[in-house]
Amino acid sequence: AQRVTQPEKLLSVFKGAPVELKCNYSYSGSPELFWYVQYSRQRLQLLLRHISRESIKGFTADLNKGETSFHLKKPFAQEEDSAMYYCARGGDTGTASKLTFGTGTRLQVTL
Amino acid sequence: KAGVTQTPRYLIKTRGQQVTLSCSPISGHRSVSWYQQTPGQGLQFLFEYFSETQRNKGNFPGRFSGRQFSNSRSEMNVSTLELGDSALYLCASSFAGGGEQYFGPGTRLTVT
Repeated sequence: AQRVTQPEKLLSVFKGAPVELKCNYSYSGSPELFWYVQYSRQRLQLLLRHISRESIKGFTADLNKGETSFHLKKPFAQEEDSAMYYCARGGDTGTASKLTFGTGTRLQVTL
Repeated sequence: KAGVTQTPRYLIKTRGQQVTLSCSPISGHRSVSWYQQTPGQGLQFLFEYFSETQRNKGNFPGRFSGRQFSNSRSEMNVSTLELGDSALYLCASSFAGGGEQYFGPGTRLTVT
């Protein structure tokens, strides 16, 4: 079965500190990897996807196929980054829309 | 562009009953996926519909079913409800499938 592991349930950092949210995925083919975010009282939304290689809200994520990791990083945390972050992988060929989510990491940015 | 809408937002049912949840995707989106979210199991994929056909299916019992209409609106049905079916059910749409999905606010189902 496909798996996505997010080892930290809660990550608490100070404003201005670097952030790294860890994500490891089970190896199978060449899946698409995603980070989804859920801000307080808002719906789940896509933050970024590995194939776009872009930075969204200062966040970047590097796909490391050797380590099967897709960690989310931001050099300087802001209060508005406080949210629940989910790493997800798409299915294999023909099942790309079948997302497997990690259990999520709550990021808490404090002053 | 209006987002994904789900109705009802909250539902309370009794064990053994059945329930139907509805999802209206973003205009132009043809793929609709359903997920179950619980504190214990997290977000789990139920199934995906594309052009009125079930295209992918998760590992849920046959009590969970769905369908999609010609206007891409989708419904999911759970029969013979069990206490463990209490969850937040999320619907997500995308233009043609794939992992870039737009989620609705969810329907909170409580089974008593």
